[in-house]
Amino acid sequence: AQSVTQLDSQVPVFEEAPVELRCNYSSSVSVYLFWYVQYPNQGLQLLLKYLSGSTLVKGINGFEAEFNKSQTSFHLRKPSVHISDTAEYFCAVSPVTGGGNKLTFGTGTQLKVEL
Amino acid sequence: DTAVSQTPKYLVTQMGNDKSIKCEQNLGHDTMYWYKQDSKKFLKIMFSYNNKELIINETVPNRFSPKSPDKAHLNLHINSLELGDSAVYFCASSQDVIAGNTQYFGPGTRLTVL
Repeated sequence: AQSVTQLDSQVPVFEEAPVELRCNYSSSVSVYLFWYVQYPNQGLQLLLKYLSGSTLVKGINGFEAEFNKSQTSFHLRKPSVHISDTAEYFCAVSPVTGGGNKLTFGTGTQLKVEL
Repeated sequence: DTAVSQTPKYLVTQMGNDKSIKCEQNLGHDTMYWYKQDSKKFLKIMFSYNNKELIINETVPNRFSPKSPDKAHLNLHINSLELGDSAVYFCASSQDVIAGNTQYFGPGTRLTVL
């Protein structure tokens, strides 16, 4: 079984400031890692994913994440946020084999960007 | 063109009623999913189908019955609705059932049971 922990339920940040949203996971098998974003009253949209290769993954809208296997983390970063980044961000994992592409989500982090 | 669409967007009903939510994807994907998002925004998978075959069935009450008439559609029927069924239900699809494939989500259906 897998579990995902997003320690910060809310992260307030001023516009143009950097931000980091933390994600840690637990799994007895190898997993793929994902970040999804949910804008108000909308469905989820993939920001980025780590499958293999370079541990630094670049995604859409200027976001990036770094996979750290020893710390079982996959933190999301953006060097300069915009008001339009205000949304709920979900970290998720999926077993590499045998899981049927099943996603296990964290509880989400509400990013609120203020002027 | 909406890639993954759901109807209705909002559904308000009384306890004990039976209701259905429809999902359609025009991406040509083989695999479709249903997720439930509770009031605390926690997302949990309920079912997945691959080419009309049930792949994942997470411990969901048997009042919930998914039906896939073809691989572009995955509907969710709920019998004898309970207060605890109030949530946002998301449909999603992916190219196939292989791990790592991106899942594309619909806009959600907000179900309120009174």
